[in-house]
Amino acid sequence: EAGVAQSPRYKIIEKRQSVAFWCNPISGHATLYWYQQILGQGPKLLIQFQNNGVVDDSQLPKDRFSAERLKGVDSTLKIQPAKLEDSAVYLCASSPRRREDHTQYFGPGTRLTVL
Amino acid sequence: LAKTTQPISMDSYEGQEVNITCSHNNIATNDYITWYQQFPSQGPRFIIQGYKTKVTNEVASLFIPADRKSSTLSLPRVSLSDTAVYYCLVGDTGFQKLVFGTGTRLLVSP
Repeated sequence: EAGVAQSPRYKIIEKRQSVAFWCNPISGHATLYWYQQILGQGPKLLIQFQNNGVVDDSQLPKDRFSAERLKGVDSTLKIQPAKLEDSAVYLCASSPRRREDHTQYFGPGTRLTVL
Repeated sequence: LAKTTQPISMDSYEGQEVNITCSHNNIATNDYITWYQQFPSQGPRFIIQGYKTKVTNEVASLFIPADRKSSTLSLPRVSLSDTAVYYCLVGDTGFQKLVFGTGTRLLVSP
């Protein structure tokens, strides 16, 4: 089966600019996650969707970050305006969340550089 | 959320067995233990998951003692391609909120 798709793979912007990332999860996966991974650290959960509803966005900097998952499939993560400290890899993951399978499947990520 | 503690780095040689231990003293009754592997410039990849005792798949084994306060990922006969960062996570079955630590950086040498 096809994996989690993300685009773009790389993005370079200047601070105070806006940027958006796109994620297409594995078909049929109800749960979608966005993580931020700063160099040398483990991924940090930003937001979790169950279908098109938000389950957890407690670590999402809501003054500048927003995310949506229309129709419970694709998702976009936006940063507006970007700061230098937003430079990181943004990972999307999806999960079937069945009783017997809690695995999260990750995409390749989008590497964001804010200058 | 249960926190995990694992070694920052480990070194090994090709063909050896590698055991990476993770401590999770505050694990909850509903928590599963999951290990992920991450190569540079890639997203983490699921390796193995367990709840108690021992789980084995085609790439690794996971040993979980009765008190579940720790777990050990065992990689048999590692190769150079096993050089990666390995994350131990605990997460509840309800919302599966996974908290990644800094992981263990495994370096396999010839």
